[in-house]
Amino acid sequence: QSALTQPASVSGSPGQSITISCTGTSSDIGGHNYISWYQHHPDKAPKLLIFDVSSRPSGVSDRFFGSKFGNTASLTISGLQAEDEADYYCSSYTSSTTVVFGGGTKLTVL
Amino acid sequence: VQLLESGGGLVQPGGSLRLFCAASGFNFDNYAMTWVRQAPGKGLEWVSSTGNSGAVTYYADSVKGRFTISRDNSKNTLYLQMHSLRAEDTAVYYCAKAGSGWSHSDYWGQGTLVTVSS
Repeated sequence: QSALTQPASVSGSPGQSITISCTGTSSDIGGHNYISWYQHHPDKAPKLLIFDVSSRPSGVSDRFFGSKFGNTASLTISGLQAEDEADYYCSSYTSSTTVVFGGGTKLTVL
Repeated sequence: VQLLESGGGLVQPGGSLRLFCAASGFNFDNYAMTWVRQAPGKGLEWVSSTGNSGAVTYYADSVKGRFTISRDNSKNTLYLQMHSLRAEDTAVYYCAKAGSGWSHSDYWGQGTLVTVSS
């Protein structure tokens, strides 16, 4: 199972919005709606931001928005803040009854 | 919710190691559990998941036949038995609790480092 494709890095200024894409195939992202997004600060535990394409767990800011079109999922972060600087990973259930992660995207807040 | 991994360390190629994850703060036997790893300088990689009773297990192709996930619901503990370890298994191993579905994880531990080297 190949990793989902994410841009290696994105950047934005405080207050701006950015979008991170996550491209897969019809065997994973395109085949169902079990798509998640995680935020990972170095040396900390990863944090679930989005599950089932666009659902947010309790306590996650509504500045984080998930969506999907075809074989590509997206995470949009609005009103960028300094503490948003982190690595972001998408993940998807697959038709092989496994889970696959994206390669990760490093977000830099300028 | 607390997840505390242990059991990591230095092991020679071809060796074995057993990881532990002690869970607290939730009804352990109601949730699927997952192991995810991160090699140095690399991204997250799903390793294995098990259903709430332990009867159902899933594995990444990279570890199938070498790793075994299991759980003891009486001890609120998740395990990962690793055999035939390779240099490429070197990583921080995270234990994670499933959310409403087993394919996503809503709480993660801090991880335990496994180093495979001679």
